[in-house]
Amino acid sequence: DAGVIQSPRHEVTEMGQEVTLRCKPISGHNSLFWYRQTMMRGLELLIYFNNNVPIDDSGMPEDRFSAKMPNASFSTLKIQPSEPRDSAVYFCASSWTSGRAVTGELFFGEGSRLTVL
Amino acid sequence: KQEVTQIPAALSVPEGENLVLNCSFTDSAIYNLQWFRQDPGKGLTSLLLIQSSQREQTSGRLNASLDKSSGRSTLYIAASQPGDSATYLCAVGRANFGNEKLTFGTGTRLTIIP
Repeated sequence: DAGVIQSPRHEVTEMGQEVTLRCKPISGHNSLFWYRQTMMRGLELLIYFNNNVPIDDSGMPEDRFSAKMPNASFSTLKIQPSEPRDSAVYFCASSWTSGRAVTGELFFGEGSRLTVL
Repeated sequence: KQEVTQIPAALSVPEGENLVLNCSFTDSAIYNLQWFRQDPGKGLTSLLLIQSSQREQTSGRLNASLDKSSGRSTLYIAASQPGDSATYLCAVGRANFGNEKLTFGTGTRLTIIP
């Protein structure tokens, strides 16, 4: 299996521009997570999908952030408009869920490093 | 609110030595605990997952233990190698939420000196 695939790996943009990050989870996994990693705050969960449905988006910083999962093999995280404080590494992870709780190991992609100037 | 602490933040040891990384958490009502490895510029790789009902898990030279009552976990690495150099993070899953509500520690950056 190719693992969790994220694109782009690096993105440099100017403040105010729209940014779209993409993720392809591992085939067969039914849970997908978007995390953000910064030096100051470490890893933070932004949003979690189960069977393509957003379950918990309480970690999404503000309305400028949105995430979608139109099918089991694709998800996007969009920031519009972007700000310098959004600069971070954004990780997508997937897992297999049996029942209510997520029971399996999390598999992470290699991340998308975003720099907003 | 769950807080996960990893001390020390950085550790350097000579190749071949056995070592222990520490993870402590404040709320013992956990679902599971996972240890991850992160190489520079890379994602996280799951090393070991311990369910709340388990005491330890082993994989090769790695052994992770869990003591819920004291809020502690350790990752033991035997016969360390330069390739073990990385940042190691522990993450605690909240009871009844599993991996949905993982709280990560800030990691221990491990350097193995050849």
